[in-house]
Amino acid sequence: GIQVEQSPPDLILQEGANSTLRCNFSDSVNNLQWFHQNPWGQLINLFYIPSGTKQNGRLSATTVATERYSLLYISSSQTTDSGVYFCAVDQTGANNLFFGTGTRLTVIP
Amino acid sequence: DVKVTQSSRYLVKRTGEKVFLECVQDMDHENMFWYRQDPGLGLRLIYFSYDVKMKEKGDIPEGYSVSREKKERFSLILESASTNQTSMYLCATNRVAYGYTFGSGTRLTVV
Repeated sequence: GIQVEQSPPDLILQEGANSTLRCNFSDSVNNLQWFHQNPWGQLINLFYIPSGTKQNGRLSATTVATERYSLLYISSSQTTDSGVYFCAVDQTGANNLFFGTGTRLTVIP
Repeated sequence: DVKVTQSSRYLVKRTGEKVFLECVQDMDHENMFWYRQDPGLGLRLIYFSYDVKMKEKGDIPEGYSVSREKKERFSLILESASTNQTSMYLCATNRVAYGYTFGSGTRLTVV
């Protein structure tokens, strides 16, 4: 199956700092999403971004499908940004979402 | 926004009990999914359904069954709960060009 790798695995930031999370995938994809899993376990959809760039407030994402990677940018981080960030992809006909291993972000005040 | 509602956030059941986990979505999506999430193993697909009364096995269907009698509701059934089914269970729905939306999850503990 398709391989999804995320880096870094762990990240500790001071409140107000910026960060970039990376997702590499091993094959062409139909869909790519970024999720934030909060401390209560809920997976919150941040971006549906199979290609191109999107922005939502302090967050933005870019996917370069031809080079098989995606980046999630977090600016002016806040303590509420803490949690695990997952990149997930699916392929045409797969009926399954393949997740990366996640980046655990801790934002300290 | 699509809303996916799971009936329980936390559940404690005894070994051997029959357990029902319920998931309801409000956006008329055809596809619904059940995943479990375990430390070190990530999210794994248990079952999915692409229409009423239609279901397909995912990667780890053993010990589980599902029911989809109405389009908006997808139930996961643990026929005889065992301790190795202690996990976080996540329901999801998806639509082409929209992506997946997950419910808030159910933390099930089997004692």
